[in-house]
Amino acid sequence: SQTIHQWPATLVQPVGSPLSLECTVEGTSNPNLYWYRQAAGRGLQLLFYSVGIGQISSEVPQNLSASRPQDRQFILSSKKLLLSDSGFYLCAWSTFPGQAFFGQGTRLTVV
Amino acid sequence: DQQVKQNSPSLSVQEGRISILNCDYTNSMFDYFLWYKKYPAEGPTFLISISSIKDKNEDGRFTVFLNKSAKHLSLHIVPSQPGDSAVYFCAASASGMGNNDMRFGAGTRLTVKP
Repeated sequence: SQTIHQWPATLVQPVGSPLSLECTVEGTSNPNLYWYRQAAGRGLQLLFYSVGIGQISSEVPQNLSASRPQDRQFILSSKKLLLSDSGFYLCAWSTFPGQAFFGQGTRLTVV
Repeated sequence: DQQVKQNSPSLSVQEGRISILNCDYTNSMFDYFLWYKKYPAEGPTFLISISSIKDKNEDGRFTVFLNKSAKHLSLHIVPSQPGDSAVYFCAASASGMGNNDMRFGAGTRLTVKP
């Protein structure tokens, strides 16, 4: 069966520090991978999606970036975090078209 | 550009009654629609979906209705139970143009009172 792992579950980082969130998927090949952010009181905002290794589409201009070094690995990064980067980050995978399966999420607090 | 809209941020219903959650979309290329349920500090979990070739899909207490002409879909929960209390997200994707992204609405917080 397919599983998705996302870590860490919670993270507190100072402003200006770097960020690296990792997501891995098991049990499927060549999935579509997504990073979403849920800001407080808001919906799910699509940040990045990837249809294959090295293929990243960015939806929102920001100081975040994503990479897909391996088929089932998706990384969300930042060189310098801003206060506005605080939120709940979710990784997801899907077979297109179809339902997306989400990780447990990472609560990021930038202080 | 919010292509999927859930205009009601919250909904409160009595246990045993019907819950109706609404969703509107603007992109006519969307042809696959989904509802997700989310508890705090957890990832959303898939609830039910519908393809644009259908106008209704039913799964137990959950039914999704699609009105393509109005670009509107709704989720009906009958009967509502306290365990249904969560945030519900509507999502849409477009297969025809080869797009691979999935767009979500802002969510509706459902509270089912015992």
